[in-house]
Amino acid sequence: QQPVQSPQAVILREGEDAVINCSSSKALYSVHWYRQKHGEAPVFLMILLKGGEQMRHEKISASFNEKKQQSSLYLTASQLSYSGTYFCGPSGDDYKLSFGAGTTVTVRA
Amino acid sequence: DTEVTQTPKHLVMGMTNKKSLKCEQHMGHRAMYWYKQKAKKPPELMFVYSYEKLSINESVPSRFSPECPNSSLLNLHLHALQPEDSALYLCASSQTSGGAYEQYFGPGTRLTVT
Repeated sequence: QQPVQSPQAVILREGEDAVINCSSSKALYSVHWYRQKHGEAPVFLMILLKGGEQMRHEKISASFNEKKQQSSLYLTASQLSYSGTYFCGPSGDDYKLSFGAGTTVTVRA
Repeated sequence: DTEVTQTPKHLVMGMTNKKSLKCEQHMGHRAMYWYKQKAKKPPELMFVYSYEKLSINESVPSRFSPECPNSSLLNLHLHALQPEDSALYLCASSQTSGGAYEQYFGPGTRLTVT
């Protein structure tokens, strides 16, 4: 079953912050986060593992609440390069990634 | 080298044609994946190969036939496709198929079925 991502879209000015949420109905082993720019392939940002620490990629960080089967991605002091569609990819004990519908982030100067 | 390459970049085929998509990686990864992505939608998993054996088939129609000739190569053979199969086909690889490893995606093949 597809995880639920919110919001669907967000518009930011450079330097602003945003949070993207991802929730799953199944018990999770890990959560992947990817960013896809228009016309390009998805690019890996980070993985959060069950029992692991909060991860960070540049000024983007993420958390994983195993009990609530949720993950959040935090975009801090956003830059123009952060624009794109962000997908969460929770993985359960079947180890298959099931991507959320995506959150389109637009950062404006 | 952290690159996954895919050929061709674009493919237009008729419903009676047979064609193949090719994917290659030289990172020593032992898991390779095929995804299908429609416009403004997330990638959908189609197949997973682990150590050159098909480990997951997400109930994909038989007109799509995957093949893994060796640990670096992954093919997707196409036959008798339908117009609704038009999409971006992404190949990815990871160290192993466990959910603990990041997936590296190729640029994709944009397929149009006429």
